[in-house]
Amino acid sequence: EAQVTQNPRYLITVTGKKLTVTCSQNMNHEYMSWYRQDPGLGLRQIYYSMNVEVTDKGDVPEGYKVSRKEKRNFPLILESPSPNQTSLYFCASSLKELAGGDTQYFGPGTRLTVL
Amino acid sequence: AQSVSQHNHHVILSEAASLELGCNYSYGGTVNLFWYVQYPGQHLQLLLKYFSGDPLVKGIKGFEAEFIKSKFSFNLRKPSVQWSDTAEYFCAVNAPGTYKYIFGTGTRLKVLA
Repeated sequence: EAQVTQNPRYLITVTGKKLTVTCSQNMNHEYMSWYRQDPGLGLRQIYYSMNVEVTDKGDVPEGYKVSRKEKRNFPLILESPSPNQTSLYFCASSLKELAGGDTQYFGPGTRLTVL
Repeated sequence: AQSVSQHNHHVILSEAASLELGCNYSYGGTVNLFWYVQYPGQHLQLLLKYFSGDPLVKGIKGFEAEFIKSKFSFNLRKPSVQWSDTAEYFCAVNAPGTYKYIFGTGTRLKVLA
């Protein structure tokens, strides 16, 4: 089944403790992206990747890192999480054929709480 | 900077009522436009998109949207909603050739049976 998977789905952690949220897709998509969803703010793009080893900042990259060493994986790293990073995180992927007009396929979301 | 406004944050309708959700964007050039839906407990999924051609776009489940360039709008419509349309709806925009996406704040639709 074509899908985007994220792990963990739920995570409670403490300020300053490094964490990684994994994202994997099995559709051979070039493009992958991370979003955070907060009440009243909608989805905001954190980072995106156009292909292996090619990443760029979205609108809210501060406090996050990403890497794209393999086409299928796009982990989101929080080196020193803070309470303002408590949010619902979504990973998405798409082909890269329509110069941005491609359909994005979203993962199930990771609910992160930073105490 | 690009932005997307969804003016209706919460909408409550009875079954069979008509739906129109507003979406306005600010960007001076050509845009790709999307509506995504998030049903309770499910992933975000694409309802429909516009990137060129006919400004009236038809999507899944009887939804349609019209791109009006002069009004910078891409409103979502459905002539007769069903209880199963209860969900959160997001409008999004992106500039062709780029891979940054701007989403609106979302509209929560509740359809009463």
